[in-house]
Amino acid sequence: AQTVTQSQPEMSVQEAETVTLSCTYDTSENNYYLFWYKQPPSRQMILVIRQEAYKQQNATENRFSVNFQKAAKSFSLKISDSQLGDTAMYFCASRRPMKTSYDKVIFGPGTSLSVIP
Amino acid sequence: GAGVSQSPRYKVAKRGQDVALRCDPISGHVSLFWYQQALGQGPEFLTYFQNEAQLDKSGLPSDRFFAERPEGSVSTLKIQRTQQEDSAVYLCASSLGQGETGELFFGEGSRLTVL
Repeated sequence: AQTVTQSQPEMSVQEAETVTLSCTYDTSENNYYLFWYKQPPSRQMILVIRQEAYKQQNATENRFSVNFQKAAKSFSLKISDSQLGDTAMYFCASRRPMKTSYDKVIFGPGTSLSVIP
Repeated sequence: GAGVSQSPRYKVAKRGQDVALRCDPISGHVSLFWYQQALGQGPEFLTYFQNEAQLDKSGLPSDRFFAERPEGSVSTLKIQRTQQEDSAVYLCASSLGQGETGELFFGEGSRLTVL
């Protein structure tokens, strides 16, 4: 079974500082996708960054980067130079490979991030 | 528009009423997911469609919940005899399908309040 755990319900960071959000997951698959999604107060979920499990190199997207530890099943998100617009709920998610007819995307409980001016 | 569209955005129902929530995915997207999100919680998987086929409905909480996608495009989530515990935001997401990047594209959600 797929499970995703986020152990930090709430976090805060000073503007321009760096913050790391934690995520652990469990899956029996060897290949899968991992995501971080952001949900601002308006509620529409948007993708922040994605990682394919077969790629060892950590994904980066501008100020956002991940630390993917496959053996430990850990997938943390680092936000550098935090901005006020980064204030949101952040969800970690895992997805089984799309080449099967069975598809499921499981989300963690979320971390509420507040960026303080 | 180019995104996932959900309607209604807000729905207030009296306990016992039936409701229908609509999702219009991005054109050409094969995969469609429904999620239920309680306040302050993560989205909980309800069901998954690949085109018109409902391949996984393991997350539907009871037989009062029913989803369909008859032509492989628009999907409807129906809740019969609503109860207070059904109050939540219902999110729809779509993705391209096989061989794609894996990203889900979400709608803004339908917030259901059952009185």
